Formats: sequence, C-alpha cells, structure tokens
Amino acid sequence: QVQLQESGPGLVKPSQTLSLTCTVSGGSISSGGYYWSWIRQHPGKGLEWIGYIYYSGSTYYNPSLKSRVTISVDTSKNQFSLKLSSVTAADTAVYYCARESFLVYSSGWTAYGMDVWGQGTTVTVSS
Amino acid sequence: DIQLTQSPSFLSASVGDRVTITCRASQGISSYLAWYQQKPGKAPKLLIYAASTLQSGVPSRFSGSGSGTEFTLTISSLQPEDFATYYCQQLNSYRAFGPGTKVDIK
Repeated sequence: QVQLQESGPGLVKPSQTLSLTCTVSGGSISSGGYYWSWIRQHPGKGLEWIGYIYYSGSTYYNPSLKSRVTISVDTSKNQFSLKLSSVTAADTAVYYCARESFLVYSSGWTAYGMDVWGQGTTVTVSS
Repeated sequence: DIQLTQSPSFLSASVGDRVTITCRASQGISSYLAWYQQKPGKAPKLLIYAASTLQSGVPSRFSGSGSGTEFTLTISSLQPEDFATYYCQQLNSYRAFGPGTKVDIK
C-alpha cells in the first residue's frame, strides 16, 4: 500500500522560498506509470494543481505558477520536492502531494487519476 | 489552457435523493476526466477516472458519464457519508480542477 507524507516548514516569510518534500513509502518512486504531483488548497477554496514530475525528472507546471515553481525528484530517497519562490500571503494554503497513475499502450494512453494522496500540510506565509 | 466549470456550485439534498453534478470543459478532452470527493480537513478521494470508470472500493451508487466537453457525476441514492464537496479534474494536459460542488444536507 503506497503512502505519501508531506514535510516541511509550516511558516515561511514573505519573499522567501517555500520548500516541501513528499516521502513515498510502500512503493518505488522509480516505477513507471506514475506522475508525482503537488496540489494546494487556499483556505476555504478549491483545489489548485501546481505541477508534476516523472521519476526521470520530466516536469509539467501550472502556467500560472511556472515562473516560481521547481519540482525535483530524489529516487535514492524515494522523495520528490516542491520549491515555490518569492512567496506572498497568497501562497498560504494546504499543500498536498499525490500520485497520478497512467498507462501508455500502442494506440494511446489511459489516465487513472490521482489515486494516492498525502494528508496535506499547512503552510502559512507571514512575517 | 483548458478551463473546467461545474454546476451547480452548491446543492442541498436529502438522504436517498438522486444527485447529478455537471462538469464542462472549455475544449474537448475526450474521456480524460476524473471526479474526486473531499470532506472537510481531509485529502480528496478519487471516485471515478476516464470519465466513467469507478475507482476500486468506491460504492456503485456513484457513476460518471460523458466525453468531449460535458461530463456528469451521479449519486443514485445519497447517503449520509456523501455530504461533501466534489471536484472534476481534466487529465489531458494541464491538470485543471473544476471549482467544486458542495453537497449539503437539506
């Protein structure tokens, strides 16, 4: 049973860089067929996808956050990480990591959705 | 970028009611759509992927349909544990989420 766990500072100062790590247990991050995503949820609001990484290092970011986001993977530690630079109060949110499953076959591919989620971690941006 | 809208944004219903939520995409996304349920203070839970395939362990009262630009999530007989917020998400390119539909007790 794959489990995800977010970790990182709960308080970040404005203009600094938010850094979070997601640790994968019960499975290998290097297994093909998975994108490893970050999603956030502002207080009382909906879900916002931040971006994902494949174990090879390929990434895809939300265009609205792309200039400030870096997602990286450390296969030796079975972890992937999020860095969000130049944060403001608008970046205060619950941050989730999640696994998205997919399968590529000869005539196309199937997306299986985000089937495993971390519990979420609250990050507050404040001086 | 593909945008998703959901209707209604809020729904008040009773136990046993049939509930339908609609998700519309600004461009065709074939069947690359998932539905999630989220309860307060909890991470979202995957209900349906590929527009109509029920995730393992999800009760059969949940069903999804649609392709292209219009999709629906139906709960055939609302149960007390189904009062939650529901989100659609497109999986074709940028993983946009819909704004959510809150299902509340009438």
